[in-house]
Amino acid sequence: GQQLNQSPQSMFIQEGEDVSMNCTSSSIFNTWLWYKQDPGEGPVLLIALYKAGELTSNGRLTAQFGITRKDSFLNISASIPSDVGIYFCAGHGSGGSNYKLTFGKGTLLTVNP
Amino acid sequence: ETGVTQSPTHLIKTRGQQVTLRCSSQSGHNTVSWYQQALGQGPQFIFQYYREEENGRGNFPPRFSGLQFPNYSSELNVNALELDDSALYLCASSLTPTDTQYFGPGTRLTVL
Repeated sequence: GQQLNQSPQSMFIQEGEDVSMNCTSSSIFNTWLWYKQDPGEGPVLLIALYKAGELTSNGRLTAQFGITRKDSFLNISASIPSDVGIYFCAGHGSGGSNYKLTFGKGTLLTVNP
Repeated sequence: ETGVTQSPTHLIKTRGQQVTLRCSSQSGHNTVSWYQQALGQGPQFIFQYYREEENGRGNFPPRFSGLQFPNYSSELNVNALELDDSALYLCASSLTPTDTQYFGPGTRLTVL
């Protein structure tokens, strides 16, 4: 089945630093999504990407849909303590199973004030 | 606009019991998807309901079943609970089966 490889698994950074994380797949995805999850909560949508090559920003967050449709990255600029959490990439695959979301394993972000 | 809500928040059951989890979709959304998230993992797709019919299913056994009601709210039922069923169960709603999914806060199920 479709799988997403998300890296890094965890990051420890100082407040004010920029962060980058990415996701790759062996198969094509039609949509790439980035979610943030706090402990014991559901994932909250950060950015949705719908077209290959698309670059979208949401405040200090920027994400891109890879041109091959097999990868995506998320950048966070000037990190702050409330950025702490687990970030997941997710995507809708192509073909008959495009209704379900496939998730990466997450990137745990810790920000030291 | 009301977001996705789930109940209960937490639940403790013993092995072999049955459980029902509930989800109310976001206003205007006719599609509900259910996911299981084990500790330290990403959510895994269980199944999706669209206009009261199952629209797709992940790699979960038949003891995981669901329903969607005319108001598009949904239930997830799990029979013959096993210890490995302990997880956070997430419900997500969307405008259509392939649209962006918005998640509820989840139900934490513990099986003893």
